[in-house]
Amino acid sequence: GDSVTQTEGLVTLTKGLPVMLNCTYQTTYSPFLFWYVQHLNEAPKLLLKSSTDNKRTEHQGFYATLHKSSSSFHLQKSSVQLSDSALYFCALRASSGSWQLIFGSGTQLTVMP
Amino acid sequence: DTTVKQNPRYKLARVGKPVNLICSQTMNHDTMYWYQKKPNQAPKLLLFYYDKILNREADTFEKFQSSRPNNSFCSLYIGSAGLEYSAMYLCASTKSDRDEQYFGPGTRLTVL
Repeated sequence: GDSVTQTEGLVTLTKGLPVMLNCTYQTTYSPFLFWYVQHLNEAPKLLLKSSTDNKRTEHQGFYATLHKSSSSFHLQKSSVQLSDSALYFCALRASSGSWQLIFGSGTQLTVMP
Repeated sequence: DTTVKQNPRYKLARVGKPVNLICSQTMNHDTMYWYQKKPNQAPKLLLFYYDKILNREADTFEKFQSSRPNNSFCSLYIGSAGLEYSAMYLCASTKSDRDEQYFGPGTRLTVL
């Protein structure tokens, strides 16, 4: 069945450093991947999405490239800011065709001054 | 307005008592979802409405009910809360021909 794996539960970094949050997936369907970000006491919001192999997608300084060969969609940023502290979810559109999302367990990113 | 609203934001319930959570959106989305999120776990889909058709996940079929009296409104109903129902409940909505699901801020349910 469909699944998403995020290997890091917690990531703590100093402001200005680069970050990569890992996301791998498993599906028998054509993959459509999403990154959602949830700040404290707020709703999860879409950050990035992609269904195109080997094409980098960018938004708000974050970027990710869907690699079908390695079933990955890692989230990166070259220089994290304090405001990037949040919970990040990777999600896969389910192959059932009902537009359901299959989520990873999330990565809590904390950026220190 | 691209917001999804959820009420209440926090809910305290007693074991064995019913719980009713409410979600609304004014984006004319045809599909509305309910997810359950526990700490350190992925959000888990409980059920969703596509228009007036309710789809419930097999492993939570008997635990959760829902109603959608109109396009904008969707509720999640627990008939008899147990301790294991303590979690964050997230509502989301989407237009079926679009990519993005829009989420509400969630209702944190604590069952004592």
